[in-house]
Amino acid sequence: QQQVKQSPQSLIVQKGGISIINCAYENTAFDYFPWYQQFPGKGPALLIAIRPDVSEKKEGRFTISFNKSAKQFSLHIMDSQPGDSATYFCAATSNTGNQFYFGTGTSLTVIP
Amino acid sequence: EPEVTQTPSHQVTQMGQEVILRCVPISNHLYFYWYRQILGQKVEFLVSFYNNEISEKSEIFDDQFSVERPDGSNFTLKIRSTKLEDSAMYFCASTRDGRGTQYFGPGTRLLVL
Repeated sequence: QQQVKQSPQSLIVQKGGISIINCAYENTAFDYFPWYQQFPGKGPALLIAIRPDVSEKKEGRFTISFNKSAKQFSLHIMDSQPGDSATYFCAATSNTGNQFYFGTGTSLTVIP
Repeated sequence: EPEVTQTPSHQVTQMGQEVILRCVPISNHLYFYWYRQILGQKVEFLVSFYNNEISEKSEIFDDQFSVERPDGSNFTLKIRSTKLEDSAMYFCASTRDGRGTQYFGPGTRLLVL
């Protein structure tokens, strides 16, 4: 059973455009939802994260939108840049010390 | 800024051989994790470790795998008898209080021939 479903699998966006990646989860016990950015050959690096007590969190060009009733959350990258080209993973976890459940990843390509 | 480090960056081994992957978590972190990522696939949880014992493990983490914190800084993953399907990128992660962000190391790319 896939705990976190992510779409799309790949995304191509023009420079300056908005990139949107969506995730959905099943487990209502999840209470922490991070997004990780991964460049080829590197480990995942935390980009931004949200807890279900807020519906939106913004850090610079990156925004997470969270819909608790729909059990969905999304990453919006405003003014996308070629340097944003990477694989993005959503994840979810609950309680203390528990594993992160990762989505299947979205390969983002920003065209100059 | 403190970071998780992993050694070696690459490891090539013959099927059936034992490998030990090493990690140095961030110094004041108490919870440690191993994940793996098969090429082009998602990151998969292997095991979490707290207070010198395994707190959670996945189905992937069978008897061929073991973890250890041999001293105050290192956290190791041992694969006793490697299989071809163990070829993957292995990531160590740590977090201070078990809640929130897990910080990932750069990974060890393991290739089993």
